[in-house]
Amino acid sequence: GQSLEQPSEVTAVEGAIVQINCTYQTSGFYGLSWYQQHDGGAPTFLSYNALDGLEETGRFSSFLSRSDSYGYLLLQELQMKDSASYFCAVSGGSYIPTFGRGTSLIVHP
Amino acid sequence: DTAVSQTPKYLVTQMGNDKSIKCEQNLGHDTMYWYKQDSKKFLKIMFSYNNKELIINETVPNRFSPKSPDKAHLNLHINSLELGDSAVYFCASSPYSGTNTGELFFGEGSRLTVL
Repeated sequence: GQSLEQPSEVTAVEGAIVQINCTYQTSGFYGLSWYQQHDGGAPTFLSYNALDGLEETGRFSSFLSRSDSYGYLLLQELQMKDSASYFCAVSGGSYIPTFGRGTSLIVHP
Repeated sequence: DTAVSQTPKYLVTQMGNDKSIKCEQNLGHDTMYWYKQDSKKFLKIMFSYNNKELIINETVPNRFSPKSPDKAHLNLHINSLELGDSAVYFCASSPYSGTNTGELFFGEGSRLTVL
């Protein structure tokens, strides 16, 4: 089976940098994804890491260490609109993404 | 044009009823999914389906059944609804079962309330 752990809540102020960690257990591994979901909305894809290292997409970056079964999402220059839930998801042996329980990010002015 | 569309967006019904949620994708994707999101926002895979294979999460009660008339549609039928079925159900699609981008395209969700 697969399981993921991520913090339930993270708070930060506008303009700051925040890191959301994710550890996973899986039999077979293809990649780790990150999704953003605003209240009442659908999850939207942010990034995907199949190999170790850092992937950067604008203000958001995602990191993966396969040997540590660990990844993180880094959000820079935080804006109020970044307040949302963030999910890591692991694609294991079946390719079907299994989601973590999500991290609620609260950005204060 | 909406890439992945679900209907209805809201559904309120009584315990014991049977209901269906429809999903259509116009992305030409091969694989479609149903996820259930509970009140604590936990997104749980229910089904994955492409034109070759249906993968069922073994924890899903057999009251839930996916029906796919063609590659662009994956409907969810629920029999004998229970209070615990209240949740938001998301349909999603990806280009192929062996997706190498990790990207799922989600519909807007269908909020089911069972009274």
